[in-house]
Amino acid sequence: EAGVAQSPRYKIIEKRQSVAFWCNPISGHATLYWYQQILGQGPKLLIQFQNNGVVDDSQLPKDRFSAERLKGVDSTLKIQPAKLEDSAVYLCASSHGQSSYEQYFGPGTRLTVT
Amino acid sequence: DQQVKQNSPSLSVQEGRISILNCDYTNSMFDYFLWYKKYPAEGPTFLISISSIKDKNEDGRFTVFLNKSAKHLSLHIVPSQPGDSAVYFCAASAVNSGYSTLTFGKGTMLLVSP
Repeated sequence: EAGVAQSPRYKIIEKRQSVAFWCNPISGHATLYWYQQILGQGPKLLIQFQNNGVVDDSQLPKDRFSAERLKGVDSTLKIQPAKLEDSAVYLCASSHGQSSYEQYFGPGTRLTVT
Repeated sequence: DQQVKQNSPSLSVQEGRISILNCDYTNSMFDYFLWYKKYPAEGPTFLISISSIKDKNEDGRFTVFLNKSAKHLSLHIVPSQPGDSAVYFCAASAVNSGYSTLTFGKGTMLLVSP
């Protein structure tokens, strides 16, 4: 079974530029999560999708971050414009169902904003 | 407000000895707890979990203990091996409106020396 795929693996941009990350979850997983992991911290949930609907985006900075999951499969997370404090690893995870405890993570995208 | 706390940023253990990683939580609504293991440049991988109705769960060399009254859980690795060297995250789950969300601690870096 293929795992969660993410691209790109690394990205360096200047502040005020925009960037997008892509995630393809495990086949058949209805729930998809985007996390932000700042160096020295644990992953922090940004947004959670159930199929193609948003169920929790309470910690997503909506003035600059957006995410979508068209057709309930893969997803994109966008930052526009980026700030220095957005430098982090962005992790995508998926789980089988909305009440599944175990989440499966992709390798992440390391973003550096200069 | 940190709801899941891992107060030891790092732990060093000799090969063959026991590793004990600790985690405290504050939210009484958490009903399931998980440990994830993370190697550099990879996403977290699920290791072991425990339901709030149990006080112990064992899987090979890994055992998780839960003390609900103290809001404390620990991960025991016996015997420790150099390949166990990684960052370990404690995570706690709460179900809100039918959706499970995970809250992570900051992680503990375990170094097992030969």
